[in-house]
Amino acid sequence: SAVISQKPSRDICQRGTSLTIQCQVDSQVTMMFWYRQQPGQSLTLIATANQGSEATYESGFVIDKFPISRPNLTFSTLTVSNMSPEDSSIYLCSVGSDYWTFFGQGTRLTVV
Amino acid sequence: EDKVVQSPLSLVVHEGDTVTLNCSYEVTNFRSLLWYKQEKKAPTFLFMLTSSGIEKKSGRLSSILDKKELFSILNITATQTGDSAVYLCAVLNAGNNRKLIWGLGTSLAVNP
Repeated sequence: SAVISQKPSRDICQRGTSLTIQCQVDSQVTMMFWYRQQPGQSLTLIATANQGSEATYESGFVIDKFPISRPNLTFSTLTVSNMSPEDSSIYLCSVGSDYWTFFGQGTRLTVV
Repeated sequence: EDKVVQSPLSLVVHEGDTVTLNCSYEVTNFRSLLWYKQEKKAPTFLFMLTSSGIEKKSGRLSSILDKKELFSILNITATQTGDSAVYLCAVLNAGNNRKLIWGLGTSLAVNP
């Protein structure tokens, strides 16, 4: 299994600001994903981070709000832009293969 | 539409009890079914199931898949307070950009 390091672990941010979350994997992986989990809800896929091309966003998520970078096969970032209290969630980076998915430690974001 | 349904949504037991968590699914292009344990932020991988009738076992936890009836169960024997968590079931759709379809989870509380 891959070792996934995600940071920051948590943050409290002012509304209107942006936060960039980093995800580092200890081996090259093809598939990297970003999820959001709002309080009391299950996981929602934000986008698939594609190496060398633009991320593929799910319905309801747009690049202007959640820009994603994937400069190589071991690293990705997710930025939560122009934050509002509704963005308070756990954000999770994950890597997967044809059969499984593993998660980073997650970032707990609180927007005040 | 693809969906994964977990039951019960919540469960309270006493230490030493045995619990069975259920996951039923309707997913096109089934690839695998995954069980995770989520305590604070990140889901921790438990089992990956691809074949019917083959029990996966890890200590006091075990799981089995029935691809004919489209469900899986997760059993926990001799429960401990450390088993208290949300247990998530997800099914990997091999088509559709390899999307994971998530259940809402079962919240398990084990009282001493």
